Amino acid sequence: KAGVTQTPRYLIKTRGQQVTLSCSPISGHRSVSWYQQTPGQGLQFLFEYFSETQRNKGNFPGRFSGRQFSNSRSEMNVSTLELGDSALYLCASSREGLETQYFGPGTRLLVL
Amino acid sequence: GESVGLHLPTLSVQEGDNSIINCAYSNSASDYFIWYKQESGKGPQFIIDIRSNMDKRQGQRVTVLLNKTVKHLSLQIAATQPGDSAVYFCAEALNQAGTALIFGKGTTLSVSS
Repeated sequence: KAGVTQTPRYLIKTRGQQVTLSCSPISGHRSVSWYQQTPGQGLQFLFEYFSETQRNKGNFPGRFSGRQFSNSRSEMNVSTLELGDSALYLCASSREGLETQYFGPGTRLLVL
Repeated sequence: GESVGLHLPTLSVQEGDNSIINCAYSNSASDYFIWYKQESGKGPQFIIDIRSNMDKRQGQRVTVLLNKTVKHLSLQIAATQPGDSAVYFCAEALNQAGTALIFGKGTTLSVSS
């Protein structure tokens, strides 16, 4: 069974640009959560999507947004990039919730 | 607000020793806790979880202990192996479904042979 896949794996952008990251959950999983990982702040929850609806949201500015498609694939968008947005962005999927979340390898974003 | 923290940023052990990694949480209403392992260049990997109606749960070579009185969580790894070297995170679920997690800062476990 294929795991969670994230594309691209690496990305370099400049300040002010926007970026879209993609996450394909494990087959049959309907919940996708996104996290930001930085050396200073650690792993922080961004938001969760379930059945194409945002079900939970962390404490991040509105520049961070996401969506989920009918096939459960999810995208995350960051607009007006700032240097501090440089991080590893991880997505995790689970079947219905109340189950283990499985993480993808992450997308490493560098903002110059 | 809620926070999940780990007592030690690093832990060094010899191969074959037992390792204990500790974590303190602040929200007494928390219901679900998970331990993850993260190797360099990879996403976190599920190790074991426990719900608040349990005090102890065992897996293969790992045991998680939950002390709700002092809001403390620990991960015990038996017969630690070099392949166990990684960063270990405890996480606390913000929601019943366990799909929104607060992570601790992490403990780096180094195993020497």
